[in-house]
Amino acid sequence: AQKVTQAQTEISVVEKEDVTLDCVYETRDTTYYLFWYKQPPSGELVFLIRRNSFDEQNEISGRYSWNFQKSTSSFNFTITASQVVDSAVYFCALSNQGGSEKLVFGKGTKLTVNP
Amino acid sequence: DADVTQTPRNRITKTGKRIMLECSQTKGHDRMYWYRQDPGLGLRLIYYSFDVKDINKGEISDGYSVSRQAQAKFSLSLESAIPNQTALYFCATSAADTGELFFGEGSRLTVL
Repeated sequence: AQKVTQAQTEISVVEKEDVTLDCVYETRDTTYYLFWYKQPPSGELVFLIRRNSFDEQNEISGRYSWNFQKSTSSFNFTITASQVVDSAVYFCALSNQGGSEKLVFGKGTKLTVNP
Repeated sequence: DADVTQTPRNRITKTGKRIMLECSQTKGHDRMYWYRQDPGLGLRLIYYSFDVKDINKGEISDGYSVSRQAQAKFSLSLESAIPNQTALYFCATSAADTGELFFGEGSRLTVL
Protein backbone atom coordinates (compact mmCIF):
# COMPACT_ATOMS: atom_id res chain seq x y z
CA ALA A 1 0.00 0.00 0.00
CA GLN A 2 1.09 3.52 -0.65
CA LYS A 3 1.40 6.04 2.11
CA VAL A 4 2.54 9.61 2.50
CA THR A 5 3.55 11.00 5.87
CA GLN A 6 3.88 14.68 6.62
CA ALA A 7 4.93 14.61 10.23
CA GLN A 8 4.81 18.37 10.70
CA THR A 9 1.21 19.34 11.30
CA GLU A 10 1.90 23.04 11.72
CA ILE A 11 4.97 25.23 11.33
CA SER A 12 5.26 28.88 12.24
CA VAL A 13 8.18 31.04 11.09
CA VAL A 14 9.04 34.69 10.86
CA GLU A 15 9.31 36.30 7.47
CA LYS A 16 12.66 35.81 5.71
CA GLU A 17 13.40 32.59 7.54
CA ASP A 18 14.05 29.45 5.54
CA VAL A 19 11.68 26.58 6.19
CA THR A 20 11.64 22.93 5.16
CA LEU A 21 8.51 20.85 4.92
CA ASP A 22 9.12 17.15 5.28
CA CYS A 23 7.51 14.40 3.24
CA VAL A 24 8.20 10.69 3.66
CA TYR A 25 6.55 8.16 1.40
CA GLU A 26 6.05 4.42 1.24
CA THR A 27 5.55 2.40 -1.91
CA ARG A 28 6.54 -0.98 -3.29
CA ASP A 29 6.54 0.27 -6.84
CA THR A 30 9.77 1.06 -8.63
CA THR A 31 8.03 3.62 -10.80
CA TYR A 32 6.13 6.30 -8.97
CA TYR A 33 5.49 10.02 -8.98
CA LEU A 34 5.66 12.56 -6.21
CA PHE A 35 3.79 15.84 -6.06
CA TRP A 36 3.50 18.96 -3.95
CA TYR A 37 0.34 21.08 -3.85
CA LYS A 38 -0.30 24.37 -2.07
CA GLN A 39 -3.63 25.36 -0.52
CA PRO A 40 -3.64 29.06 0.46
CA PRO A 41 -6.24 30.44 2.89
CA SER A 42 -8.56 31.13 -0.04
CA GLY A 43 -8.98 27.36 -0.33
CA GLU A 44 -8.02 26.45 -3.87
CA LEU A 45 -5.36 23.83 -4.49
CA VAL A 46 -2.41 24.76 -6.65
CA PHE A 47 0.03 22.35 -8.25
CA LEU A 48 3.69 23.07 -7.45
CA ILE A 49 5.75 20.17 -8.74
CA ARG A 50 5.72 16.59 -10.07
CA ARG A 51 8.78 14.36 -9.88
CA ASN A 52 9.19 10.79 -11.13
CA SER A 53 11.13 8.13 -9.28
CA PHE A 54 13.89 7.99 -11.86
CA ASP A 55 14.83 11.62 -11.53
CA GLU A 56 16.63 12.34 -8.28
CA GLN A 57 17.94 15.71 -9.30
CA ASN A 58 16.96 18.47 -6.96
CA GLU A 59 14.65 21.08 -8.38
CA ILE A 60 14.78 24.80 -7.77
CA SER A 61 12.12 27.29 -8.77
CA GLY A 62 12.76 30.74 -7.44
CA ARG A 63 12.56 30.57 -3.65
CA TYR A 64 11.24 27.02 -3.76
CA SER A 65 13.41 23.93 -3.88
CA TRP A 66 12.76 20.23 -3.59
CA ASN A 67 15.10 17.53 -2.34
CA PHE A 68 14.23 14.03 -3.53
CA GLN A 69 16.15 11.21 -1.82
CA LYS A 70 15.16 7.65 -2.66
CA SER A 71 17.52 6.29 -0.01
CA THR A 72 15.39 7.82 2.70
CA SER A 73 12.09 7.81 0.75
CA SER A 74 11.78 11.53 1.22
CA PHE A 75 10.72 14.43 -0.95
CA ASN A 76 11.24 17.54 1.13
CA PHE A 77 10.25 21.05 0.17
CA THR A 78 12.23 24.12 1.20
CA ILE A 79 11.12 27.72 0.99
CA THR A 80 14.00 30.17 1.15
CA ALA A 81 13.45 33.64 2.59
CA SER A 82 9.82 32.93 3.40
CA GLN A 83 7.16 35.55 2.81
CA VAL A 84 3.72 36.09 4.31
CA VAL A 85 2.18 35.00 1.00
CA ASP A 86 3.73 31.58 1.51
CA SER A 87 1.30 30.96 4.36
CA ALA A 88 -0.76 27.96 3.29
CA VAL A 89 -1.33 24.28 3.79
CA TYR A 90 1.09 22.24 1.74
CA PHE A 91 0.30 18.70 0.63
CA CYS A 92 2.71 16.07 -0.54
CA ALA A 93 1.23 13.30 -2.70
CA LEU A 94 2.24 10.02 -4.32
CA SER A 95 1.01 8.11 -7.34
CA ASN A 96 2.22 4.89 -8.88
CA GLN A 97 1.12 6.06 -12.29
CA GLY A 98 1.95 9.10 -14.33
CA GLY A 99 -1.56 10.37 -14.14
CA SER A 100 -3.37 11.45 -11.04
CA GLU A 101 -5.56 8.43 -10.56
CA LYS A 102 -5.10 6.91 -7.13
CA LEU A 103 -3.08 9.88 -6.00
CA VAL A 104 -2.47 9.46 -2.27
CA PHE A 105 -2.14 12.68 -0.30
CA GLY A 106 -0.42 13.32 2.98
CA LYS A 107 -2.40 15.07 5.67
CA GLY A 108 -0.76 18.39 4.96
CA THR A 109 1.48 20.84 6.79
CA LYS A 110 0.08 24.22 7.70
CA LEU A 111 2.73 26.89 7.30
CA THR A 112 2.25 30.28 8.88
CA VAL A 113 4.71 33.01 8.00
CA ASN A 114 4.50 35.92 10.39
CA PRO A 115 5.60 39.43 9.45
CA ASP B 1 -13.75 32.46 -15.37
CA ALA B 2 -12.28 29.47 -13.58
CA ASP B 3 -11.25 26.48 -15.68
CA VAL B 4 -12.90 24.10 -13.21
CA THR B 5 -16.19 25.33 -11.78
CA GLN B 6 -18.06 23.80 -8.90
CA THR B 7 -21.63 24.51 -7.85
CA PRO B 8 -22.82 25.15 -5.26
CA ARG B 9 -19.89 26.64 -3.38
CA ASN B 10 -21.66 26.30 -0.07
CA ARG B 11 -24.60 24.17 0.94
CA ILE B 12 -26.30 23.40 4.22
CA THR B 13 -28.70 20.51 4.24
CA LYS B 14 -30.40 18.09 6.57
CA THR B 15 -29.80 14.43 7.23
CA GLY B 16 -31.53 12.23 4.68
CA LYS B 17 -31.70 14.80 1.91
CA ARG B 18 -30.37 14.13 -1.57
CA ILE B 19 -27.60 16.47 -2.62
CA MET B 20 -25.84 16.93 -5.95
CA LEU B 21 -22.57 18.76 -6.40
CA GLU B 22 -21.81 19.73 -9.96
CA CYS B 23 -18.50 20.23 -11.71
CA SER B 24 -17.79 21.57 -15.14
CA GLN B 25 -14.47 22.20 -16.84
CA THR B 26 -13.19 24.08 -19.84
CA LYS B 27 -9.72 22.54 -19.91
CA GLY B 28 -10.66 19.81 -22.37
CA HIS B 29 -9.33 17.09 -20.07
CA ASP B 30 -10.72 13.59 -20.21
CA ARG B 31 -9.92 12.77 -16.59
CA MET B 32 -12.06 14.10 -13.77
CA TYR B 33 -12.04 13.43 -10.06
CA TRP B 34 -13.97 14.08 -6.88
CA TYR B 35 -12.04 14.47 -3.63
CA ARG B 36 -13.13 15.08 -0.10
CA GLN B 37 -11.08 17.15 2.36
CA ASP B 38 -11.49 16.85 6.10
CA PRO B 39 -9.39 18.76 8.65
CA GLY B 40 -6.28 16.80 9.53
CA LEU B 41 -6.99 14.06 6.99
CA GLY B 42 -5.80 15.58 3.74
CA LEU B 43 -7.64 14.79 0.54
CA ARG B 44 -9.24 11.46 -0.17
CA LEU B 45 -10.44 10.26 -3.55
CA ILE B 46 -14.15 9.48 -3.86
CA TYR B 47 -14.57 8.69 -7.56
CA TYR B 48 -12.69 9.28 -10.78
CA SER B 49 -13.54 9.06 -14.44
CA PHE B 50 -11.30 8.72 -17.49
CA ASP B 51 -14.09 9.41 -19.97
CA VAL B 52 -17.85 9.43 -20.14
CA LYS B 53 -18.02 5.63 -20.18
CA ASP B 54 -15.37 4.98 -17.56
CA ILE B 55 -16.09 5.59 -13.90
CA ASN B 56 -14.10 4.17 -11.03
CA LYS B 57 -14.45 4.06 -7.29
CA GLY B 58 -11.84 5.74 -5.18
CA GLU B 59 -10.81 5.25 -1.59
CA ILE B 60 -14.08 6.37 0.02
CA SER B 61 -16.93 5.83 -2.45
CA ASP B 62 -19.52 4.44 0.00
CA GLY B 63 -22.50 6.76 0.32
CA TYR B 64 -21.67 8.59 -2.90
CA SER B 65 -22.50 8.19 -6.57
CA VAL B 66 -21.35 10.04 -9.65
CA SER B 67 -22.48 10.81 -13.15
CA ARG B 68 -20.31 11.82 -16.11
CA GLN B 69 -22.82 13.58 -18.29
CA ALA B 70 -20.28 14.78 -20.82
CA GLN B 71 -16.56 15.17 -21.14
CA ALA B 72 -16.84 18.51 -19.39
CA LYS B 73 -19.29 17.59 -16.62
CA PHE B 74 -18.92 15.32 -13.62
CA SER B 75 -21.48 15.34 -10.82
CA LEU B 76 -21.27 13.92 -7.32
CA SER B 77 -24.43 12.84 -5.51
CA LEU B 78 -25.18 12.02 -1.93
CA GLU B 79 -28.40 10.01 -2.08
CA SER B 80 -29.14 10.36 1.61
CA ALA B 81 -26.80 12.78 3.30
CA ILE B 82 -25.50 12.10 6.79
CA PRO B 83 -23.61 14.40 9.18
CA ASN B 84 -20.24 12.70 8.71
CA GLN B 85 -20.38 13.71 5.07
CA THR B 86 -19.88 17.28 6.19
CA ALA B 87 -16.67 18.26 4.42
CA LEU B 88 -15.06 20.33 1.71
CA TYR B 89 -15.44 18.67 -1.68
CA PHE B 90 -13.13 19.29 -4.60
CA CYS B 91 -13.52 18.45 -8.24
CA ALA B 92 -10.35 18.14 -10.29
CA THR B 93 -9.26 17.40 -13.82
CA SER B 94 -6.02 16.21 -15.34
CA ALA B 95 -4.45 15.53 -18.68
CA ALA B 96 -3.43 11.93 -19.15
CA ASP B 97 0.25 12.52 -19.50
CA THR B 98 1.19 15.19 -17.00
CA GLY B 99 -0.36 14.02 -13.77
CA GLU B 100 -1.02 17.59 -12.71
CA LEU B 101 -4.42 18.04 -11.12
CA PHE B 102 -6.40 21.22 -11.72
CA PHE B 103 -8.81 21.82 -8.88
CA GLY B 104 -12.06 23.66 -8.63
CA GLU B 105 -12.58 26.13 -5.81
CA GLY B 106 -14.32 23.61 -3.60
CA SER B 107 -17.86 23.04 -2.36
CA ARG B 108 -18.39 23.23 1.36
CA LEU B 109 -21.18 20.91 2.43
CA THR B 110 -22.70 20.89 5.90
CA VAL B 111 -25.13 18.14 6.83
CA LEU B 112 -27.14 18.86 9.98
